[in-house]
Amino acid sequence: ETGVTQTPRHLVMGMTNKKSLKCEQHLGHNAMYWYKQSAKKPLELMFVYSLEERVENNSVPSRFSPECPNSSHLFLHLHTLQPEDSALYLCASSTRTSVRGSNEQFFGPGTRLTVL
Amino acid sequence: SQQGEEDPQALSIQEGENATMNCSYKTSINNLQWYRQNSGGGLVHLILIRSNEREKHSGRLRVTLDTSKKSSSLLITASRAADTASYFCATPTARAGSYQLTFGKGTKLSVIP
Repeated sequence: ETGVTQTPRHLVMGMTNKKSLKCEQHLGHNAMYWYKQSAKKPLELMFVYSLEERVENNSVPSRFSPECPNSSHLFLHLHTLQPEDSALYLCASSTRTSVRGSNEQFFGPGTRLTVL
Repeated sequence: SQQGEEDPQALSIQEGENATMNCSYKTSINNLQWYRQNSGGGLVHLILIRSNEREKHSGRLRVTLDTSKKSSSLLITASRAADTASYFCATPTARAGSYQLTFGKGTKLSVIP
């Protein structure tokens, strides 16, 4: 399998559930990102991992918990979410972020999350 | 404040026409990137233009960059129905010693067959 994959593609959960989103990249990259895309809002960067170390946490509520066990895998653990957290969650990867921003990001297809 | 802002927010054209989308940004950049997103899917990188470049071509895409006006434009020539998608500009922003991409709200392009 090539590129960036995300599972599940769709997720419906209640406010008291705990679930996890998974992202896997097969591109040999060492930086991975979580983005949130809500209707009529710009793409919001949530977390950045570079060489498996979190380098960015963009004031995201603690009900979102990222995990990067190795450079190919990224998880987003979800618990006690709110209906306003319903959105498309996109994972991306790239070469290291320190290369003066010239690195292209490769995106997965996203997980459409609905919180009831 | 938003780094990149696309204009227009939505654009509807007939197949075969050209589509032009604009992006304005606020701070100095060393490059600007354009991405495409099909409905409900992931983003796909289209083209990167560096700050020392004024124009760049890739197939039917033409990107210009005017650093004095802090603006860029994406032109799609001879549009096809398959070009229907949202288009985003993205600029690198320095944060905590590294560079992250900041995306605009996008232009939603509809190409009518």
